[in-house]
Amino acid sequence: DTEVTQTPKHLVMGMTNKKSLKCEQHMGHRAMYWYKQKAKKPPELMFVYSYEKLSINESVPSRFSPECPNSSLLNLHLHALQPEDSALYLCASSQEGGRNNQPQHFGDGTRLSIL
Amino acid sequence: AQSVTQPDIHITVSEGASLELRCNYSYGATPYLFWYVQSPGQGLQLLLKYFSGDTLVQGIKGFEAEFKRSQSSFNLRKPSVHWSDAAEYFCAVGDTNAGKSTFGDGTTLTVKP
Repeated sequence: DTEVTQTPKHLVMGMTNKKSLKCEQHMGHRAMYWYKQKAKKPPELMFVYSYEKLSINESVPSRFSPECPNSSLLNLHLHALQPEDSALYLCASSQEGGRNNQPQHFGDGTRLSIL
Repeated sequence: AQSVTQPDIHITVSEGASLELRCNYSYGATPYLFWYVQSPGQGLQLLLKYFSGDTLVQGIKGFEAEFKRSQSSFNLRKPSVHWSDAAEYFCAVGDTNAGKSTFGDGTTLTVKP
């Protein structure tokens, strides 16, 4: 069982919908990450939160809006997505972010399909 | 900027045979190196990591990797492959200044019975 839990596992939404992806970890990790992964490609970093503050935004379009309500939770709010946004969205956590570069623990992802 | 190259897109080995997956990195300082495995429909799982010290590191599931600074390589090995090892393997280098990791494009491992 993964120690990073992502919900939902699958999501189908229209281009005008608003939905949220959720991620939770209880390992006491202080850095959390959102990645986007297309089939047969490596994960692409989207956002990093370190100590509940947004530390990295990889020039992600504003239709993706991250939120870190507390040290255990990470959300990704979705609005007005495009078909090319269909992908596997992975959440990860590590003991610390920033310069420490600890290994990351990944959830199993949310498979997102945009109609 | 740092980069990671995995020269082999796809490798096929027979069950019980040995395995070596190649990884070359480009990084200005001492690298933090990782190997992750991703099975279909799942997230990435850490196999092993290198930060410093002994250049031969042991990981989970019988995997090991050797850091060779002179060759800028961090190749993953396993002496005897099992059918359950079929998966996608990613090498990654941690950028201590940027606070993030760069992943290689991955190697798909197929195991023949």
